[in-house]
Amino acid sequence: DIQMTQSPSTLSASVGDRVTITCRASQSISSWLAWYQQKPGKAPKLLIYKASSLESGVPSRFSGSGSGTEFTLTISSLQPDDFATYYCQQPRTFGQGTKVEIK
Amino acid sequence: EVQLLESGGGLVQPGGSLRLSCAASGFTFSSYAMSWVRQAPGKGLEWVSAISGSGGSTYYADSVKGRFTISRDNSKNTLYLQMNSLRAEDTAVYYCAKVPTYLLRYFDWLDYWGQGTLVTVSS
Repeated sequence: DIQMTQSPSTLSASVGDRVTITCRASQSISSWLAWYQQKPGKAPKLLIYKASSLESGVPSRFSGSGSGTEFTLTISSLQPDDFATYYCQQPRTFGQGTKVEIK
Repeated sequence: EVQLLESGGGLVQPGGSLRLSCAASGFTFSSYAMSWVRQAPGKGLEWVSAISGSGGSTYYADSVKGRFTISRDNSKNTLYLQMNSLRAEDTAVYYCAKVPTYLLRYFDWLDYWGQGTLVTVSS
């Protein structure tokens, strides 16, 4: 099985900060990676698919990059609505999640 | 507007059974694969099962294989998850989610999610 390591587990940041979350796969998964945002008590929301494709309706401050074994989700300028938990997803497996907290 | 509405959750004793349903609207249900994903209280996401648009192809996580059965009724726009031999570790919110393709592939992502239904397995 392919292991996925997401880091950091928690991130403290301020509004306007540039934020980067990383997922590393134990073997190459090409560009087979998605990113989701989840707020407390709510369902996850798709942000990025195929590593770098922005889902329709998602603000352009979100971007994804990477291929092979290392992937990143970047929020270019953190907004109040972005404080949430973020998950990466490889084929049928999710990362452990990164909670983005207010600093 | 795509809507997915789960139902059927509740409290069940260990070893018991439960059937979850997911009523879909706002898209051509039979044209898309569907999935169930669960989240234990305070924990991360786990992909439980998936089914192709026709129902002819299915996927199960090792943790539920042989105990859970996914199915769909395209005439009723409804997805199901039959859960048998339930264990305490099956306690979770179960989400129904849409796959943006008809067939199941090596890599699928989930473009729409329901709000979830809570299953609690406890004596």
